[in-house]
Amino acid sequence: KAGVTQTPRYLIKTRGQQVTLSCSPISGHRSVSWYQQTPGQGLQFLFEYFSETQRNKGNFPGRFSGRQFSNSRSEMNVSTLELGDSALYLCASSVGQTNQPQHFGDGTRLSIL
Amino acid sequence: DAKTTQPPSMDCAEGRAANLPCNHSTISGNEYVYWYRQIHSQGPQYIIHGLKNNETNEMASLIITEDRKSSTLILPHATLRDTAVYYCIVRVADSGNTPLVFGKGTRLSVIA
Repeated sequence: KAGVTQTPRYLIKTRGQQVTLSCSPISGHRSVSWYQQTPGQGLQFLFEYFSETQRNKGNFPGRFSGRQFSNSRSEMNVSTLELGDSALYLCASSVGQTNQPQHFGDGTRLSIL
Repeated sequence: DAKTTQPPSMDCAEGRAANLPCNHSTISGNEYVYWYRQIHSQGPQYIIHGLKNNETNEMASLIITEDRKSSTLILPHATLRDTAVYYCIVRVADSGNTPLVFGKGTRLSVIA
């Protein structure tokens, strides 16, 4: 069974630009969660989508947004990029029911110049 | 904030068992204990989870104390590829999909 696929693996942007990251979940998984990982703050939850609806949201500004498509694939968008948005962005998928573990992709490393 | 406390680092000799402790003294009755690990430059990898009974799978064993205030992840025969940061996470069991709250984890170094 294929794992969680994130594209692209690496991305370089400049301040003020916007970026879209993509995540393809494990087949049959309906929940997709996004996390940000930085050396200073560690792994932090951004948001979770289930059946095309945002079900949970972390404490991030509105510049961070996401969506999920009918095939469960998800995208996240960051607008007006800041230097502090440089991070590893991780996507995790799960069946979406109680207690089921989340399985992570290897992330997109975003660098802001 | 993370509800768990883990030692920042541990060493283990290759071929020996690695025992990683985790304290979760404020755990509630409806919260599970999850373990993930993150090898450098990769996403976190799910290892195992449990509620109150000990659990074992092909990767590891999870021992939860009777009062559920602490647990130990056991890698029975550590290899160099087990060098990683190990995260112990307490997560409520509800009808939704509660986010994972990561702490700083334990950096395990397996030494040849």
